[in-house]
Amino acid sequence: DTEVTQTPKHLVMGMTNKKSLKCEQHMGHRAMYWYKQKAKKPPELMFVYSYEKLSINESVPSRFSPECPNSSLLNLHLHALQPEDSALYLCASSQAGGRLKQDTQYFGPGTRLTVL
Amino acid sequence: EDQVTQSPEALRLQEGESSSLNCSYTVSGLRGLFWYRQDPGKGPEFLFTLYSAGEEKEKERLKATLTKKESFLHITAPKPEDSATYLCAVLRGSTLGRLYFGRGTQLTVWP
Repeated sequence: DTEVTQTPKHLVMGMTNKKSLKCEQHMGHRAMYWYKQKAKKPPELMFVYSYEKLSINESVPSRFSPECPNSSLLNLHLHALQPEDSALYLCASSQAGGRLKQDTQYFGPGTRLTVL
Repeated sequence: EDQVTQSPEALRLQEGESSSLNCSYTVSGLRGLFWYRQDPGKGPEFLFTLYSAGEEKEKERLKATLTKKESFLHITAPKPEDSATYLCAVLRGSTLGRLYFGRGTQLTVWP
């Protein structure tokens, strides 16, 4: 099974709201990722957690706050977002965070976020 | 500087008309090249991983090949359900976990 689940599927929030996106995998993977994808563009990497530690932060604004409670769960806390943050947010997981050759990333279905 | 370039940007095929998508890369220390399929509004679906030049992998109507500079995704006798955006991505040795994506090829197969 190569399933990554994400909740919610859709989220609409105002600029003053606080919300969280959730991601879960049960493949025993030790690396998890957050990506942002705008229409007709490839996914853009935001954060990488490897062995439950933040290993990459692609200079993401502090209004996005990632959290990895354990090796199976990944959260993205959202606060004071801007309308330009509206996008598809994708979670992915891989066996070893690129430490292995051919370390395949498996993506979840995404959360469609709209910021009003 | 583009490290992964996909062509064409868009491709329209009639059902049954075979063709190939190209992904050229200029990264050093390749640790893997990945093909994904993405339907509108959904997450990328993993198709293939390639690592060594000369490697080939097949799945139904799709076949992926790899050389030292590029990869091809061959689609044989496509069906309308093959319509999607196909993304190529590479993993480099010096940047753990960071995938470098191409811009994708949007494939439309009409009956």
